[in-house]
Amino acid sequence: NAGVTQTPKFQVLKTGQSMTLQCAQDMNHEYMSWYRQDPGMGLRLIHYSVGAGITDQGEVPNGYNVSRSTTEDFPLRLLSAAPSQTSVYFCASSPSQGMVGELFFGEGSRLTVL
Amino acid sequence: TQLLEQSPQFLSIQEGENLTVYCNSSSVFSSLQWYRQEPGEGPVLLVTVVTGGEVKKLKRLTFQFGDARKDSSLHITAAQPGDTGLYLCAGAEGGSARQLTFGSGTQLTVLP
Repeated sequence: NAGVTQTPKFQVLKTGQSMTLQCAQDMNHEYMSWYRQDPGMGLRLIHYSVGAGITDQGEVPNGYNVSRSTTEDFPLRLLSAAPSQTSVYFCASSPSQGMVGELFFGEGSRLTVL
Repeated sequence: TQLLEQSPQFLSIQEGENLTVYCNSSSVFSSLQWYRQEPGEGPVLLVTVVTGGEVKKLKRLTFQFGDARKDSSLHITAAQPGDTGLYLCAGAEGGSARQLTFGSGTQLTVLP
């Protein structure tokens, strides 16, 4: 079973470049979210979506855009990468329509911005 | 936003030993989750506790939610190398997943 699939797993960017981190889930989950994980800071919510066509900001949304055109996909866009965006990014989904329930995480995408 | 403090940050023990990790906050949670994360993978849910004073057991792991719902602990009995990983607690302010706040984690290493 695929679950939550993230691509790419590793990416190196130069400051100012743009890129998209892809996230797809095959569990028909309504809720999807993006987190970043930095040493000593836990997981911080960037953006989330409670269903197709609906997105909202989390704790640290600046510098990131998202869209949710289908239930399955939730891409995260970095418009102009900065060194402060060097991190490990995790996509997560939940069957609970945004209610507190189990979050299913992807394997992560490690991004380095030079 | 709630602040969740986990302790200890790092823990290295021998196989067979017992250990406890803690998750503390000054705020009240509606529920609290524990996840385990292995290198190169995403976190995986271990348990959710909802009621103050609740105790849940998962084989050798015992989870407790504080009476005031401000803290939680994870106790592992007779640790095994397979228990090695990053243990994360996540507290919810309300009933929404977007209100989950994660602690910074406890990195556990169990040596054979």
